[in-house]
Amino acid sequence: DVKVTQSSRYLVKRTGEKVFLECVQDMDHENMFWYRQDPGLGLRLIYFSYDVKMKEKGDIPEGYSVSREKKERFSLILESASTNQTSMYLCASSLVNPHNEQFFGPGTRLTVL
Amino acid sequence: QQQVKQSPQSLIVQKGGISIINCAYENTAFDYFPWYQQFPGKGPALLIAIRPDVSEKKEGRFTISFNKSAKQFSLHIMDSQPGDSATYFCAAIFSGGSNYKLTFGKGTLLTVNP
Repeated sequence: DVKVTQSSRYLVKRTGEKVFLECVQDMDHENMFWYRQDPGLGLRLIYFSYDVKMKEKGDIPEGYSVSREKKERFSLILESASTNQTSMYLCASSLVNPHNEQFFGPGTRLTVL
Repeated sequence: QQQVKQSPQSLIVQKGGISIINCAYENTAFDYFPWYQQFPGKGPALLIAIRPDVSEKKEGRFTISFNKSAKQFSLHIMDSQPGDSATYFCAAIFSGGSNYKLTFGKGTLLTVNP
C-alpha cells in the first residue's frame, strides 16, 4: 500500500512565523504535490515536483516555497505566515505518468493567528 | 479562470437513489478525467477515471459519462448508500510533455440519507 504521511495533523502558528510542512511517501514516486483545500474552492495546486531538486509552480505559489532534497520527501515552506494562509494542506505523490493516480496524505490543518 | 466547473455544490439523495454530479471543462487539450472521493478527515482517493475517446466507463455502482463535443462529463452513483456520503471532485489532466497540469473542480458534498 502506498503511504503518504504528513508531519502534523494540526498546526497553530503566529503571523510572521516561518512554517515548514513535511511530506514523506514510501513508494518511490517521482511526482509529489502540495495542495491547499478551502471550503467552496476545492483543491488548488501550490507546487509540484517531478524529480529531486526540481519544482514547478502551480496555480497559487505566492507566499510559498518548496524543497525536495530527497526523492521521498517534499517540504512546503511558508516564509512568513499570514492569516490568509490558514487552510488544510494536502500532500500527494504519483508515478511519473500524469495519468497515474495521485495518492494523498491525510492533510495538515494549519491555523495562523 | 476556472477551467473545470463542477455542480452542484451539494447534493442530498435518499438511499437507493441515483446521485449525479456534473463537470464541464474549457481546455480541449485535457486528455484524462479522474474523479476523486474524499471522506471527512481523509485525503482524496481516486474513484474512477476516463479518457476522452471513451463515452462511458462503469465500475460497480459508479459510472462516468463523457460528452466530448459538449466538453462535459458526469459521475453517476447508482443505488446510492449512506457510505457514499463524501465530497467528490472531478478533475482534468493535461499531460503534454513536461507541461503537466491537473485541475480539480470545486467539489460536491454528497449526503445520502438512510
